[in-house]
Amino acid sequence: SYELTQPPSVSVSPGQTARITCSADALAKQYAYWYQQKPGQAPVLVIYKDTERPSGIPERFSGSSSRTKVTLTISGVQAEDEADYYCQSADSSGTYVFGTGTKVTV
Amino acid sequence: EVQLVESGGGLVKPGGSLRLSCAASGFTLTTYSMVWVRQAPGKGLEWVSSISSGSSFIKYADSVRGRFTISRENAKNSVYLQASSLRGEDTAVYYCARKADGDYDWYFDLWGRGTLVTVSS
Repeated sequence: SYELTQPPSVSVSPGQTARITCSADALAKQYAYWYQQKPGQAPVLVIYKDTERPSGIPERFSGSSSRTKVTLTISGVQAEDEADYYCQSADSSGTYVFGTGTKVTV
Repeated sequence: EVQLVESGGGLVKPGGSLRLSCAASGFTLTTYSMVWVRQAPGKGLEWVSSISSGSSFIKYADSVRGRFTISRENAKNSVYLQASSLRGEDTAVYYCARKADGDYDWYFDLWGRGTLVTVSS
């Protein structure tokens, strides 16, 4: 198994841009996925396959990938975006891995 | 409404057992692989176990292998997690989640609200 490394916290002012990174050598070969989790709630998928946004997720959420690092970008951050964010990937054997999580403070 | 509802959590003594259930509604469980993911208090998400649509492919995290057993009853639209030889470090909210419908879609597009398991004497 491997680890997905995220910064513990990101602080951003309303209307600014938040960028959350997720790193691992395995990401060069596997897609990454991103979840938002608010206190006391279940995670919600916000990005899949590095850059795709599920229906119902605001356009201000976007994803990008560069070799062994993927980035979740929240443009024009709103107060409601304050949450924990987790990246996730999987290896070819079907083992799933979550990142360490990043707390976004607005 | 498409949803997953977990049940069966509670307080259990170290060494004890618990059976968690996940009931699906609003969609047919038959074609989906399902997983259990847990989250210890104040900690991050941890994948626990997976089961394919026909139960032919089952996988466990190292931390629970040999102690937990995942199963499903498609006719009842339900997935289960039998947790045995429980330890304090198994204390967590246990989430049931649906794997996206695609052979190479390794992510979870639907989650339940979770059920809390507390292991303490």
